[in-house]
Amino acid sequence: AQSVAQPEDQVNVAEGNPLTVKCTYSVSGNPYLFWYVQYPNRGLQFLLKYITGDNLVKGSYGFEAEFNKSQTSFHLKKPSALVSDSALYFCAGRSNNAGNMLTFGGGTRLMVKP
Amino acid sequence: DTAVSQTPKYLVTQMGNDKSIKCEQNLGHDTMYWYKQDSKKFLKIMFSYNNKELIINETVPNRFSPKSPDKAHLNLHINSLELGDSAVYFCASSQDLTGNQPQHFGDGTRLSIL
Repeated sequence: AQSVAQPEDQVNVAEGNPLTVKCTYSVSGNPYLFWYVQYPNRGLQFLLKYITGDNLVKGSYGFEAEFNKSQTSFHLKKPSALVSDSALYFCAGRSNNAGNMLTFGGGTRLMVKP
Repeated sequence: DTAVSQTPKYLVTQMGNDKSIKCEQNLGHDTMYWYKQDSKKFLKIMFSYNNKELIINETVPNRFSPKSPDKAHLNLHINSLELGDSAVYFCASSQDLTGNQPQHFGDGTRLSIL
């Protein structure tokens, strides 16, 4: 069985400060990991992914994530938060074995205050 | 150009009715999905289709019947609607089943059962 956990329901950060949204995973084999963002009344939008290679992955809107195999984590980061980053963030993962579907974490609401 | 489009955006109906949600993608993708997002924003896979063939049915009641007339369309028909079916239903697509490409989501259909 595979699972993805986002331990924080909400993260609050001041505009201009760095932000981190946490994600840990449990999948068999080599993991494929993704971050998505959801704005109100919209579908999920892809931010970035880790498949293989460099552990630091850069994505859209200045976001990046670091794959840490020993800690089974894939935390999302941004050096300087914007108010417009306020949204719901989902981490997702799957095994590279055929037939596995993507499993989503429970989501973390990011609130960036001016 | 909307990549993944769902209709209707809102659906309000009585318990016991039958309703359908339509989904179309113009990305040329082989694989399409239906997800259910509950009131706590938890996202769960319902079905996956690849080139019109059912791949995954994640223990969804048989009142839910997906239909894929071609690989660009995946519709969801729901019989005998129940209060617990109230949720936001998202359609998504991906290039193929390998899992290393991101999924593209529609903006959701908000289903409310009275």
